[in-house]
Amino acid sequence: GEEVAQTPKHLVRGEGQKAKLYCAPIKGHSYVFWYQQVLKNEFKFLISFQNENVFDETGMPKERFSAKCLPNSPCSLEIQATKLEDSAVYFCASSLGTAQNTEAFFGQGTRLTVV
Amino acid sequence: GENVEQHPSTLSVQEGDSAVIKCTYSDSASNYFPWYKQELGKRPQLIIDIRSNVGEKKDQRIAVTLNKTAKHFSLHITETQPEDSAVYFCAPRGRNTGFQKLVFGTGTRLLVSP
Repeated sequence: GEEVAQTPKHLVRGEGQKAKLYCAPIKGHSYVFWYQQVLKNEFKFLISFQNENVFDETGMPKERFSAKCLPNSPCSLEIQATKLEDSAVYFCASSLGTAQNTEAFFGQGTRLTVV
Repeated sequence: GENVEQHPSTLSVQEGDSAVIKCTYSDSASNYFPWYKQELGKRPQLIIDIRSNVGEKKDQRIAVTLNKTAKHFSLHITETQPEDSAVYFCAPRGRNTGFQKLVFGTGTRLLVSP
């Protein structure tokens, strides 16, 4: 597709429940990024993929967060045992990743509310 | 890792005035310098970018200037309009992040009053 597609748009989970977010990158883009944006507006980098391989996972809270990008499937970000502080908007972005074209395109985001 | 700071954190101007937002970064190997605009409840969208071999780039009312020696780049908006009101983020990309990760600045909230 021509747009990064994120689903669902909104997700409400009780504390301790699992949350799973999906991202379909733009067709042909090699890199996928996940960011967490909390109310203060700051973007926290979580993880990036080069195709189906983890490229950089330095931002991932490894105890409860996991992510995958499998061939022919949307990428996913899963949070086990959600906590109140996981409430945020999660943005996915993709880019071609070449030296000449590095623009990152963002999806509309998934607003996760943990109650 | 990359350290990115933006100033000011908030900026209020009257319609028609100019606005300037500055972004400083720490990775001297950074080679790509974009600015994103995020309206309330929306996704960040690229509004202008510049590469390290260029000092300035303009697109109608917006421009970006780069000072690689001092490691900062700035967003300039002239003849501001109420629809320019948004949060603006810089997101330089450098060697420390494998040239593939956007490290966002802390954001600047611009408010343009009619």
